[in-house]
Amino acid sequence: AQSVSQHNHHVILSEAASLELGCNYSYGGTVNLFWYVQYPGQHLQLLLKYFSGDPLVKGIKGFEAEFIKSKFSFNLRKPSVQWSDTAEYFCAVRGGGADGLTFGKGTHLIIQP
Amino acid sequence: AAGVIQSPRHLIKEKRETATLKCYPIPRHDTVYWYQQGPGQDPQFLISFYEKMQSDKGSIPDRFSAQQFSDYHSELNMSSLELGDSALYFCASSLGLDTGELFFGEGSRLTVL
Repeated sequence: AQSVSQHNHHVILSEAASLELGCNYSYGGTVNLFWYVQYPGQHLQLLLKYFSGDPLVKGIKGFEAEFIKSKFSFNLRKPSVQWSDTAEYFCAVRGGGADGLTFGKGTHLIIQP
Repeated sequence: AAGVIQSPRHLIKEKRETATLKCYPIPRHDTVYWYQQGPGQDPQFLISFYEKMQSDKGSIPDRFSAQQFSDYHSELNMSSLELGDSALYFCASSLGLDTGELFFGEGSRLTVL
């Protein structure tokens, strides 16, 4: 079975700071990797995904993530955060023929103006 | 663009009652997934359907059942409700099982008193 570990449950940053949210997964086979964002009171929205190819993937709103297979990691980054980035961020993995995504516990990001 | 529609958005039930949640996928999407998100928790995969057949099963209790109908909408039936069933229930849809991108609805919040 897959599992996903997100290193930080709560992150507080000031506007314009750089962001990196850690995500590690445990599954040795081929995986699909995702980052979803959940703004307060809203549904999950896809930020970016990795299936294959270039391990550096770019998503919406200036986010990017790098897949490092040797480290089983898929960290999310943004060079300069904005107040509107305040949200819950979930890393998710799918592999082993499973349909459903396995989510991490989420990281609550607060951006202070 | 049309999104995933869930109804009802809010539902309050007593213990031991039954509840039914509905999900209308994005037009032409043939795959539906159900997730349960408890307070402060990550979404947990319950069950999925592809072309009206159950495709995969996650941590869905035996008291719950679901199906996908000929028009691809899906219903999650929950019986003998318990306090612990109080959660946000998300439905997601995708075109096929392997595309990876799940589009989530806004969720149905179930409160069991």
